[in-house]
Amino acid sequence: EAGVTQFPSHSVIEKGQTVTLRCDPISGHDNLYWYRRVMGKEIKFLLHFVKESKQDESGMPNNRFLAERTGGTYSTLKVQPAELEDSGVYFCASSQSGTGVIETQYFGPGTRLLVL
Amino acid sequence: GDSVTQMEGPVTLSEEAFLTINCTYTATGYPSLFWYVQYPGEGLQLLLKATKADDKGSNKGFEATYRKETTSFHLEKGSVQVSDSAVYFCALNHQGAQKLVFGQGTRLTINP
Repeated sequence: EAGVTQFPSHSVIEKGQTVTLRCDPISGHDNLYWYRRVMGKEIKFLLHFVKESKQDESGMPNNRFLAERTGGTYSTLKVQPAELEDSGVYFCASSQSGTGVIETQYFGPGTRLLVL
Repeated sequence: GDSVTQMEGPVTLSEEAFLTINCTYTATGYPSLFWYVQYPGEGLQLLLKATKADDKGSNKGFEATYRKETTSFHLEKGSVQVSDSAVYFCALNHQGAQKLVFGQGTRLTINP
């Protein structure tokens, strides 16, 4: 069974440009999460999809970030326009659906974004 | 809000040494607690977890006990190996709130 995959693995862009990150969750996983680790600090939650719906987007830093999950499969996270402070590692995770159970989240390798 | 605090790294040990990585948390109610590990070039992997007070999670020789009275979930291993070199993250979440809250991570290097 394939794990969570993310593309690209690395991205270097200039301030003001646009970048789109992609995450393919494990097949059959309804839950998809985006997290970000900035400059060696803690990993912070960005948002949570259940199928194609945004369940919790309380961690999205501002309106320069747009996440989508059309069709409830893969997800994209677009940063437009990118700022220097957006640099970091963006992780995607997925989990099965469960009622009243803490489901294990399976993480991808991350996309390392550098904004110059 | 909820938070997790880990001991500052990096931590460097010799092979076969005893390992402790401290983790304490602040949270309402009874969260579930996790340790994740990130090996070089890979994504985060769940190492172990505990879902209620006094539970002990264990995997690959690592152990951590959920201590409600001290709000702690320290990671221990009796004899580390070079292959344990990685970044370790302590995390929590609440049933009904699926997002994980992470500590800042502790980089561990084991020298032969």
